[in-house]
Amino acid sequence: LAKTTQPISMDSYEGQEVNITCSHNNIATNDYITWYQQFPSQGPRFIIQGYKTKVTNEVASLFIPADRKSSTLSLPRVSLSDTAVYYCLVGDGQYRGSSNTGKLIFGQGTTLQVKP
Amino acid sequence: DGGITQSPKYLFRKEGQNVTLSCEQNLNHDAMYWYRQDPGQGLRLIYYSQIVNDFQKGDIAEGYSVSREKKESFPLTVTSAQKNPTAFYLCASSRGGNQPQHFGDGTRLSIL
Repeated sequence: LAKTTQPISMDSYEGQEVNITCSHNNIATNDYITWYQQFPSQGPRFIIQGYKTKVTNEVASLFIPADRKSSTLSLPRVSLSDTAVYYCLVGDGQYRGSSNTGKLIFGQGTTLQVKP
Repeated sequence: DGGITQSPKYLFRKEGQNVTLSCEQNLNHDAMYWYRQDPGQGLRLIYYSQIVNDFQKGDIAEGYSVSREKKESFPLTVTSAQKNPTAFYLCASSRGGNQPQHFGDGTRLSIL
């Protein structure tokens, strides 16, 4: 099973760029890398997903090197409201037919604390 | 608005009692999932379903049961066999495979 490793916690200040790196050495060929954000007592919210190189949307960027064994979530100019837990996930690598099962393995995530 | 609705938001269970948590989605997603989250921990997969009338056990299925009779609905029953049911339960859906999962707002289950 593909597992991920990411820092338990990070601190930042408002207006700074935050980069959270995740390692996934056993990522399978067909797996995508997906990041979620979770606030207390709420369900996780999808942030960004990528397969290789760089992906950017309105809230974040995702950098994936050629070997895909790690990825970095970049949050530009964070605010206090970005204080949350961030999860990096890859698929479980198990396949049924032509697509994988969609099973995700959640680690403890990275707790980001943004200070004023 | 399309989304996932979990109910109730809070639920209390007496010893020896079965309780059912509701999960409904109007996103026309094929796949649905149930997770359990304990304080300070990540989510753990209980059951998942990729298509109507089919479901598979996740990593912690013991003491739980599910059904998938309709595409829109994936109820979770916490049985009396689950000895430590106090947790935050989250339901999710997706188009399947690597597609992102959309989560509900969760149900917090406690023991009386």
